[in-house]
Amino acid sequence: RKEVEQDPGPFNVPEGATVAFNCTYSNSASQSFFWYRQDCRKEPKLLMSVYSSGNEDGRFTAQLNRASQYISLLIRDSKLSDSATYLCVVILDRGSTLGRLYFGRGTQLTVWP
Amino acid sequence: DGGITQSPKYLFRKEGQNVTLSCEQNLNHDAMYWYRQDPGQGLRLIYYSQIVNDFQKGDIAEGYSVSREKKESFPLTVTSAQKNPTAFYLCASKRTYQETQYFGPGTRLLVL
Repeated sequence: RKEVEQDPGPFNVPEGATVAFNCTYSNSASQSFFWYRQDCRKEPKLLMSVYSSGNEDGRFTAQLNRASQYISLLIRDSKLSDSATYLCVVILDRGSTLGRLYFGRGTQLTVWP
Repeated sequence: DGGITQSPKYLFRKEGQNVTLSCEQNLNHDAMYWYRQDPGQGLRLIYYSQIVNDFQKGDIAEGYSVSREKKESFPLTVTSAQKNPTAFYLCASKRTYQETQYFGPGTRLLVL
């Protein structure tokens, strides 16, 4: 069983739409959670961390449900520039220096005009 | 400008050939990582190093080797034992006790 599971999509939405991505993780000991964004043929870049209380950064809202081992990302008022692959990332061992990341396969989003 | 550089951007390997991918960082980060990404797949960890002169195998180390002689550099060698090397290779680094990893621009390896 994979550590992190994501719906690969693709999601195709018009500009201005609201879109939500989900991610589940298998290890209940997981400590830290992130969403990374990866543009086509580029490296992943940190989009936002995900906290238990939920957090918002402009049009982006991330939620964590530890009981269900579930992470979500909501994008409001989609822009053409939001088109990318969104990677769900989990750290199991926050306390160690390793900081081992486990990546989902990513959810592809295309925003059309 | 601080950051992580990887070279070359594209690399072609012939059958039976070893090739080395470069990764350099000037962020003064202690930990460095190598990942492999295949189309439609998540990143998989090949090797990692937390300090100079020390490195550990990740999930898919077979057919790869690394060295960490300097803090700034963590080169990856893809050996002839790696039978399916075509992939996008990403190097990353981070500070000890911080969670965020920063990625280089990647190297695409293709087999001729």
